Amino acid sequence: GENVEQHPSTLSVQEGDSAVIKCTYSDSASNYFPWYKQELGKRPQLIIDIRSNVGEKKDQRIAVTLNKTAKHFSLHITETQPEDSAVYFCAASMDFGNEKLTFGTGTRLTIIP
Amino acid sequence: DADVTQTPRNRITKTGKRIMLECSQTKGHDRMYWYRQDPGLGLRLIYYSFDVKDINKGEISDGYSVSRQAQAKFSLSLESAIPNQTALYFCATRGRMNTGELFFGEGSRLTVL
Repeated sequence: GENVEQHPSTLSVQEGDSAVIKCTYSDSASNYFPWYKQELGKRPQLIIDIRSNVGEKKDQRIAVTLNKTAKHFSLHITETQPEDSAVYFCAASMDFGNEKLTFGTGTRLTIIP
Repeated sequence: DADVTQTPRNRITKTGKRIMLECSQTKGHDRMYWYRQDPGLGLRLIYYSFDVKDINKGEISDGYSVSRQAQAKFSLSLESAIPNQTALYFCATRGRMNTGELFFGEGSRLTVL
């Protein structure tokens, strides 16, 4: 089955700097890659996703890039703000409707004021 | 607002006890899921259901059972709880086909002593 590795497990950045979280996946058939954000004590929420027919997707200060050849994808957050502090999870599956969505182990991002 | 509601939010129990976690949703979604979250392990799928008559095992179903009582209700049972089932449990829903987004409940923290 699919295996998703996520790095780093913790990340601290100065407010205003950029943060990058990286994930690799094992199943070359995977083509849907969402990112979820979980604030302390809250439920995970989808922040951005990408399908394999595109290499990059942006939404304001966040972007996701995908390299299908290397089987890795990354989350980029620019101009970080205190409210970006959270745990971020990447995930991978074969398509939107595939129930076998495999999550990474999470990255705890701390923004230092 | 349409939402996903879990009860109880916190529960402490003893080894060998039967426990039920309940989930109800007002989103009108057909697909419902139970995930388990452990520190450093991400989110792992326990069971999922496409409708009242369709129940499927996820990657870690041993020791758990589920019941889909109605389109809006999906409960998770631990027949005989053990300490390594101590975790944060999330129910989630997903709409049909055209979106991959999972909508999570607020979580149920279970401690088995």
